[in-house]
Amino acid sequence: QLMESGGGVVQPGTSLRLSCAASGFTFSTFGMHWVRQAPGRALEWVAFMTNSGDKYYADSVNGRFTIARDNSKNTLYLQMGRLRVDDTSVYYCATDGAHRDIDHWGQGTLVTVSS
Amino acid sequence: QSVLTQPPSVSAAPGQRVTISCSGSTSNIGNNYVSWYQQLPGTAPKLLIYEDNMRSSGVPDRFSGSKSGTSATLGITGLQTGDEADYYCGTWDRNSIWVFGGGTKVTVL
Repeated sequence: QLMESGGGVVQPGTSLRLSCAASGFTFSTFGMHWVRQAPGRALEWVAFMTNSGDKYYADSVNGRFTIARDNSKNTLYLQMGRLRVDDTSVYYCATDGAHRDIDHWGQGTLVTVSS
Repeated sequence: QSVLTQPPSVSAAPGQRVTISCSGSTSNIGNNYVSWYQQLPGTAPKLLIYEDNMRSSGVPDRFSGSKSGTSATLGITGLQTGDEADYYCGTWDRNSIWVFGGGTKVTVL
C-alpha cells in the first residue's frame, strides 16, 4: 500500500515536501516514481529513484524538485521548490514494477499553487 | 504535448470492440516494453497490461495489448459500461526517463 501526504495550497515561488508511506512490501528493494496529473489533463511522469539511489527527473521539474527516500521509514519524498502555477496537480507515488512498468499506485495528494 | 501519441477519444456500443493506438519512436516504444493503464473517473491509475501484451493480475481477457515497431495498441472486446475510463500507454525512453501518452477517453454509447 502507498499513502501520499503533504499536499495543500501554496503560493508561487514557495516550497513543499510530499511524503509517500509504503507498507506491505520490502520498500528498500523497489524503485519508486512520482507521477502527477493536472486537473483534467494527462498523466505526467515527474521523477524516479532506483533502489540503489540513482535519481532521474522530467525536464519540467529538473533543478526544482528532488526525489529522496528513507528506507528506515519506508517513505519516499518529493521536495518541490520554486513552485509554479502549472505545478498544480494531483501527485501520485508508485512502485517501479518487475516488468519495466509502473505497477502499484497510491491514491494521490493534491497540490495547488495559487496566489 | 506528450511524447507518445494517442487518440483523444474512442467510442462504441456495449458489446463492441475498440482499439487505442499509441505511437512513439525508436527511443521509447521501439526499444522498450509498453504498458497500459486504466484510470476510472476520480481514481488512481491501475496497471492493465505490461510487457506489451501481458495482462496484469485480475484483468479480464477482454483486454489485450500488442506492439509492432514503434506503435502499440490496446484492444477491448465485449465493451461494458464499466470500461468507461481514460487509458494511457507508457514506456521508458532514453536516459531512464519514463513517458506517457496523452490518454484516450473510452465512451460506451
